[in-house]
Amino acid sequence: DGGITQSPKYLFRKEGQNVTLSCEQNLNHDAMYWYRQDPGQGLRLIYYSQIVNDFQKGDIAEGYSVSREKKESFPLTVTSAQKNPTAFYLCASSTAKDTQYFGPGTRLTVL
Amino acid sequence: GENVEQHPSTLSVQEGDSAVIKCTYSDSASNYFPWYKQELGKGPQLIIDIRSNVGEKKDQRIAVTLNKTAKHFSLHITETQPEDSAVYFCAAPNQAGTALIFGKGTTLSVSS
Repeated sequence: DGGITQSPKYLFRKEGQNVTLSCEQNLNHDAMYWYRQDPGQGLRLIYYSQIVNDFQKGDIAEGYSVSREKKESFPLTVTSAQKNPTAFYLCASSTAKDTQYFGPGTRLTVL
Repeated sequence: GENVEQHPSTLSVQEGDSAVIKCTYSDSASNYFPWYKQELGKGPQLIIDIRSNVGEKKDQRIAVTLNKTAKHFSLHITETQPEDSAVYFCAAPNQAGTALIFGKGTTLSVSS
């Protein structure tokens, strides 16, 4: 099956811990994105990468970090510097600068 | 600044009625407008999109219209069914063309 996978589906973090969310795609897409979704809100862009070994900050990058060592993978680390990390995290990918396809999401909860 | 406004935030209709969701955007250079449907606990799914060289696009019960002069686009769902109940998001490219800006979503409830 082709698509975008995210893991884990649910993640719990203690305060002060860093956690890493996985995003993998086998669609051969060049661009990948991370969004954060809070209840009743739209999707806010955290980071994006248009090509391997390159990534750019989105609107709410503070407290997050990413890497893009492989075309298929774009992991997101939520650091202890992110003061309010509880949210639904969505990864997406695209071939060009428009049509994006989303993964199933990871729900992160801070205990 | 770049912005996408979406209305209404909630919409309740009876099964078989039509539903219309409207979005406005700020960047007149925007040329691509997708609509996504998100079911509870899942990622958004692309349902239809339109590019700036056409004014309307239809796919079975779903249609999107675009008015570039007024900078707004709308999603139309006809003959609604309970399975259409979900959150719908519109989006438009950011000014750099590197990512999408999303509206805040419309929660559509279709009652039978």
